[in-house]
Amino acid sequence: NAGVTQTPKFQVLKTGQSMTLQCAQDMNHEYMSWYRQDPGMGLRLIHYSVGAGITDQGEVPNGYNVSRSTTEDFPLRLLSAAPSQTSVYFCASSYSKAGAGLNSPLHFGNGTRLTVT
Amino acid sequence: GQNIDQPTEMTATEGAIVQINCTYQTSGFNGLFWYQQHAGEAPTFLSYNVLDGLEEKGRFSSFLSRSKGYSYLLLKELQMKDSASYLCAVRDRFSDKLIFGTGTRLQVFP
Repeated sequence: NAGVTQTPKFQVLKTGQSMTLQCAQDMNHEYMSWYRQDPGMGLRLIHYSVGAGITDQGEVPNGYNVSRSTTEDFPLRLLSAAPSQTSVYFCASSYSKAGAGLNSPLHFGNGTRLTVT
Repeated sequence: GQNIDQPTEMTATEGAIVQINCTYQTSGFNGLFWYQQHAGEAPTFLSYNVLDGLEEKGRFSSFLSRSKGYSYLLLKELQMKDSASYLCAVRDRFSDKLIFGTGTRLQVFP
């Protein structure tokens, strides 16, 4: 049981490049989300999904796209990387869906450290 | 929208007790979580409160007052390994989003 798996662990991009951060979970969680963490800003929600085929925006969605074609996978795409997107990115999942399963903590992946030059 | 406030930093001595406060404002409350995050690592779940009162788990306890929009995490018998950031997070009732505060960095000294 691997939990939440994020790849890659580290990535350096040049401004304007695109890339996809991968996230997969094997716990049959319905809810998946992406956060970025910056010094002094805490964890900020980028996008989230309450189930396959459903995605929605979080607090800081601009510059990022997501899709949820399967329950297991929730990739995050940067279409044109900018230095402001230098951050640590965490994928997290839980059982909960809206209105049910209250006691359902988020399980986090180990993070992707992204630098955009 | 949601707004969550925590102190930025706290210090304490090994063996002591420390209380980390969290205040929140939300349009639809559906539970409050505390997470621990060591430097360079992912956050890990500590506790959950949805009803008023105290939840105890070993050396850690968490308290919630929904009417006051207030929670605290109480750490007893502090150990050096408790040096970490402690994140307060509130779940939105309608969207199921989990929004985090900026975290409190706790340093435990011998």
